[in-house]
Amino acid sequence: GDSVTQMEGPVTLSEEAFLTINCTYTATGYPSLFWYVQYPGEGLQLLLKATKADDKGSNKGFEATYRKETTSFHLEKGSVQVSDSAVYFCALSGNSNYQLIWGAGTKLIIKP
Amino acid sequence: EAQVTQNPRYLITVTGKKLTVTCSQNMNHEYMSWYRQDPGLGLRQIYYSMNVEVTDKGDVPEGYKVSRKEKRNFPLILESPSPNQTSLYFCASSTLRDAYEQYFGPGTRLTVT
Repeated sequence: GDSVTQMEGPVTLSEEAFLTINCTYTATGYPSLFWYVQYPGEGLQLLLKATKADDKGSNKGFEATYRKETTSFHLEKGSVQVSDSAVYFCALSGNSNYQLIWGAGTKLIIKP
Repeated sequence: EAQVTQNPRYLITVTGKKLTVTCSQNMNHEYMSWYRQDPGLGLRQIYYSMNVEVTDKGDVPEGYKVSRKEKRNFPLILESPSPNQTSLYFCASSTLRDAYEQYFGPGTRLTVT
């Protein structure tokens, strides 16, 4: 079945460092891909999305490109801030019933 | 303000004592869903609803019930909670048109002893 694999965390970086969080997927068909973010003590919120191959989603300085050839959707940011500390979830659209297929989440810690 | 609310935010209970976690959204969304979040497992869907009186099982429905009598509300019922239902629970909602762009509540941390 469809699945999403994310790099294990926590990922610890210094402020202003470059961020990459890896996400790869297995899917039949042509899913849409998503990154959600969960700040401490809060629910998840959609960060960005891409609906077809080679699309780039972007928001709040974060970017991710839908790479069909490598089945990847890696999240990147050029210069992270302490306020980016959160758990990041990669997800894809499932085949039925509007279900999202979720990765396990990657905790990001940014130190000042 | 557009939001999804859940109550209670924290709950400690004992095995077998029935409980309900409420979820309400003010965005007139058709789609609502319940998830549980456990370390290392991501989010797993418990139940979902595509509209009033239309509900269906997700991946982990055992031990849970839901109802959708009004469009805005989607309560989660644990008839006889057990310790393996200790988890962080999230309610989410969306339009059917953009069903994968979900709005999440703040979560309910449940502990069953």
